Amino acid sequence: DAGVTQSPTHLIKTRGQQVTLRCSPKSGHDTVSWYQQALGQGPQFIFQYYEEEERQRGNFPDRFSGHQFPNYSSELNVNALLLGDSALYLCASSLGGNPSDTQYFGPGTRLTVL
Amino acid sequence: AQKVTQAQTEISVVEKEDVTLDCVYETRDTTYYLFWYKQPPSGELVFLIRRNSFDEQNEISGRYSWNFQKSTSSFNFTITASQVVDSAVYFCALSEASLTGGGNKLTFGTGTQLKVEL
Repeated sequence: DAGVTQSPTHLIKTRGQQVTLRCSPKSGHDTVSWYQQALGQGPQFIFQYYEEEERQRGNFPDRFSGHQFPNYSSELNVNALLLGDSALYLCASSLGGNPSDTQYFGPGTRLTVL
Repeated sequence: AQKVTQAQTEISVVEKEDVTLDCVYETRDTTYYLFWYKQPPSGELVFLIRRNSFDEQNEISGRYSWNFQKSTSSFNFTITASQVVDSAVYFCALSEASLTGGGNKLTFGTGTQLKVEL
């Protein structure tokens, strides 16, 4: 049973560039969430996708956008990168996305902005 | 607004000691869910347990046990006879049932770094 997968593992970008991160949910899951985890902090919720639409959004600027595909995989796009965007980006999936549903996390993408 | 507080930034113990990680939460909801996750150095968050707000029965699973008390808004986690492999960052998280539009957004605490030494 394949778990949540993310690509790439590591990424180095410069300020002002754009980046796309990818996530494949756990088999059978239809809901994907993205979190940003700065060094030494807990994960912060960016947004959640369900049925190819953004269902919930955290307190992140419009530079952060996403997409969910018919096969439930998802992309996170960040435009006009800032130094402060350097973080571990975690993708999580669940079935249905109800508050009681457990989210399972991928290994993350480490983004470094120079 | 929801909030999760993990006041212990770092805990160091010697192997075989028992250790308790504290979690205090704030929510206005009457229905909510609490989670514990473990994050080893590899970075992936590993799910440990989920409890709902209407079930205060405490649970034991092997060396792990959880103490949920609504009266004090706490959901503490204890590792009995700790092992070096338990070394990781542990996160407590909250999901509320009243979220507009649905969804299961998690609000995390800042984590507790547990170091188990020989």
